[in-house]
This record gives sequence, C-alpha cells and structure tokens, in this order.
Amino acid sequence: AQTVTQSQPEMSVQEAETVTLSCTYDTSENNYYLFWYKQPPSRQMILVIRQEAYKQQNATENRFSVNFQKAAKSFSLKISDSQLGDTAMYFCAFIQMDSSYKLIFGSGTRLLVRP
Amino acid sequence: EAGVAQSPRYKIIEKRQSVAFWCNPISGHATLYWYQQILGQGPKLLIQFQNNGVVDDSQLPKDRFSAERLKGVDSTLKIQPAKLEDSAVYLCASSPTPSGNEQFFGPGTRLTVL
Repeated sequence: AQTVTQSQPEMSVQEAETVTLSCTYDTSENNYYLFWYKQPPSRQMILVIRQEAYKQQNATENRFSVNFQKAAKSFSLKISDSQLGDTAMYFCAFIQMDSSYKLIFGSGTRLLVRP
Repeated sequence: EAGVAQSPRYKIIEKRQSVAFWCNPISGHATLYWYQQILGQGPKLLIQFQNNGVVDDSQLPKDRFSAERLKGVDSTLKIQPAKLEDSAVYLCASSPTPSGNEQFFGPGTRLTVL
C-alpha cells in the first residue's frame, strides 16, 4: 500500500529565512506524481508545487522548490525568504498514475513563520 | 474563474441526526472528490466521481454515508445517522482530468457532532 510520511509535526522559521519540510513515501510503482499542498488557518487547501516522478529535474515555483530523491523516496519542500503568509499546514501528497489515481496525503507539518 | 463552492461552511448536530453537504465543482471539471479531514490528520478520500458515475468509494462507510452526483455537476454527501467520530472537515475537490493530478479544493464544511 502507498503511504506518505511527514515526520515533522511542527516547525518554525524566522521571517526571510529558509526552511525545509521533509516527506517520504512508499510505492513500488514508477509512474506517479508528488505534491505539496498548503492549508492556511481556516482557509482552503491550495497546490504549492507538483513533481512528476519521471522528471529528474526538481520542480520550482518562485520561492518554493523541492528536492526529489526518487531512489530514496524522499520529497522535501524548501521555502526560501519565508513570509508571514507562509504560516500554514503543509501536506505532502502522492498519486499513482497506473491504477488507483487516489491522492494520498501525509499527516501534515504545521509551519509558523515568526516576525 | 470561480473555484469549488461548498455549503454550509459549518454545521453542528447531535449524534444520530442526519446532515447533508453540497458541492459545486469548477465549471467543466468532470471529476469530483469528497475527502474527510479529521483534526490533526491529512485528508482521506471518501468517494470519487467521474461525471455522474462512481469511480472509487472503497473508503466510504456505506452503512451511514451516501453521496450522489445525479447530473454530473453538483454533488451532495449525506451522513445518516451521524456519530461522534464523524466530526471533521469535509472537503470537496474537482479536477479537469480523470487522473486527478491537478485537484482544486473547496473551503470545506466543518462538522461537529455532539
């Protein structure tokens, strides 16, 4: 069964600094996507960044970038120049393209950006 | 472009009562999902629709939960009767692709069962 593990329940970072959130996943398949979603307090979940497993190049979206290590099944999110608006729950998620197409989430990391 | 709409935003009921949630996906999105997000956890898929057909309802507690998407657009999720452990946020999401590799989420309905 596919699983997604986020081992950091909470993290904090000073405004303008860099923080890295960790995620590991388990699958025996090769065709899948990985995601980082952001869920601000009392607001809806939005997609931060997406990585296709067959692409070796790490995805980047402005201040957000990932470190995708396929062999290690690791998918960490780096937030550069942290802003107060980055305070949120961050969920790592995985979807397998070959069969279930089911989006599986980790338990989340609560990130607090301190002024 | 309007996002995924959900109502109500909040609902408080007594256990054993019934409740229904409504979702309107992004226009043109054929794939619709309902997720349950218990406090402190990531969302868990309850049911997936492709147009008005069910693709996956393997994690839906069918003895008390039901969902429909009769015209392939709006969807309702019902719980009857509710239990204390059903307290959660119920998220609706839609996708323009059947594979779901691009899902857009609604604001959710926070259900409290007393």
